[in-house]
Amino acid sequence: DGGITQSPKYLFRKEGQNVTLSCEQNLNHDAMYWYRQDPGQGLRLIYYSQIVNDFQKGDIAEGYSVSREKKESFPLTVTSAQKNPTAFYLCASSITVTANEKLFFGSGTQLSVL
Amino acid sequence: QKEVEQDPGPLSVPEGAIVSLNCTYSNSAFQYFMWYRQYSRKGPELLMYTYSSGNKEDGRFTAQVDKSSKYISLFIRDSQPSDSATYLCAMSAADSSYKLIFGSGTRLLVRP
Repeated sequence: DGGITQSPKYLFRKEGQNVTLSCEQNLNHDAMYWYRQDPGQGLRLIYYSQIVNDFQKGDIAEGYSVSREKKESFPLTVTSAQKNPTAFYLCASSITVTANEKLFFGSGTQLSVL
Repeated sequence: QKEVEQDPGPLSVPEGAIVSLNCTYSNSAFQYFMWYRQYSRKGPELLMYTYSSGNKEDGRFTAQVDKSSKYISLFIRDSQPSDSATYLCAMSAADSSYKLIFGSGTRLLVRP
């Protein structure tokens, strides 16, 4: 089955620690995205990538970093500079960035601070 | 003021009821309108996609767009307990390369 796999499902971060969230897709989509979801708020875009070896900041990129070395993979690192990292993180993909009205989402990673 | 406003609910209805979910928006440049369904602790899934104004029907679901009022709706007929989820509206302008704006979601509970 084609889809997006996010891991882990739950992640705990200690103060001062960097953590990496994994996102893999087998849909052969060019574009991939990371969103953050907080209770009572809409999804907010952290980073997106139109193509391999290219990525752009979204609305709330501070304290996060990404890489796109392979078409299938778009990991997100939450750095120690992100002071309020507790949230539900969603990875998504679309055929191209210009077709982003049809996003496919993974099942999410819940990140909490110890 | 948020670009997209959505009542958070929860909206509780009996099984079989017609459900109406709504979003208002402020940006007249929005041309693409989507409804996503999100079950608890899962990723959203695309339910309906509409370009510009008008209605679109898919089974028990109907999406309406009224651009003159900057108002979109999702109707669910013969609601089922399995429809209990959070419904997110999303929209984008025709000239944006990536900018989807999401509403905060309305939580729906369909009682058996």
